[in-house]
Amino acid sequence: GAVVSQHPSRVICKSGTSVKIECRSLDFQATTMFWYRQFPKKSLMLMATSNEGSKATYEQGVEKDKFLINHASLTLSTLTVTSAHPEDSSFYICSARDPLQGTTEAFFGQGTRLTVV
Amino acid sequence: DAKTTQPPSMDCAEGRAANLPCNHSTISGNEYVYWYRQIHSQGPQYIIHGLKNNETNEMASLIITEDRKSSTLILPHATLRDTAVYYCIVRVFNNAGNMLTFGGGTRLMVKP
Repeated sequence: GAVVSQHPSRVICKSGTSVKIECRSLDFQATTMFWYRQFPKKSLMLMATSNEGSKATYEQGVEKDKFLINHASLTLSTLTVTSAHPEDSSFYICSARDPLQGTTEAFFGQGTRLTVV
Repeated sequence: DAKTTQPPSMDCAEGRAANLPCNHSTISGNEYVYWYRQIHSQGPQYIIHGLKNNETNEMASLIITEDRKSSTLILPHATLRDTAVYYCIVRVFNNAGNMLTFGGGTRLMVKP
């Protein structure tokens, strides 16, 4: 199946700094990617939809100026957590679908665990 | 997307079949049933999906009731590596967005 790769898998940063998370579709082109956030023992919550070549669409309650999304190519979307605070510590997961596969299952990255200290 | 209801947790003995139920009584005619699972600290993994017929692949079987208001995911011979949270999701097939709405899922614990 299609492969989606995230980097880094784990990151620790200081409060007030920014962290960039990359999401790559390795063997297909994805015009749309999705960013989720998951707190401990909770389910995944959609944060935003990343669209190649246009602005991302954010879910209600997600600050677009804090969570910057860039989808500059068909294989790469980045999520930058700006001015990170401890409450931003979470598991961030991206997903994408291969539109040419003829199926609708989404493929997920392995996730990035962010810890803000 | 239609709401789903799953038991929060289940246990299963290794080597036995794991049967995970899902209720989706408000499912509409053009909505499919999808199953994903999430092993601890990993991204979700697609398992199977179906509309109204039962489906089987190398990972699992999906049994959908005739009225489509509920379904069961069957792992025929559960192993310890099947311990994960299993999510049942109901959604329209191939919509432009394709984002998934996750509920609470069922935490399956496979025990030796």
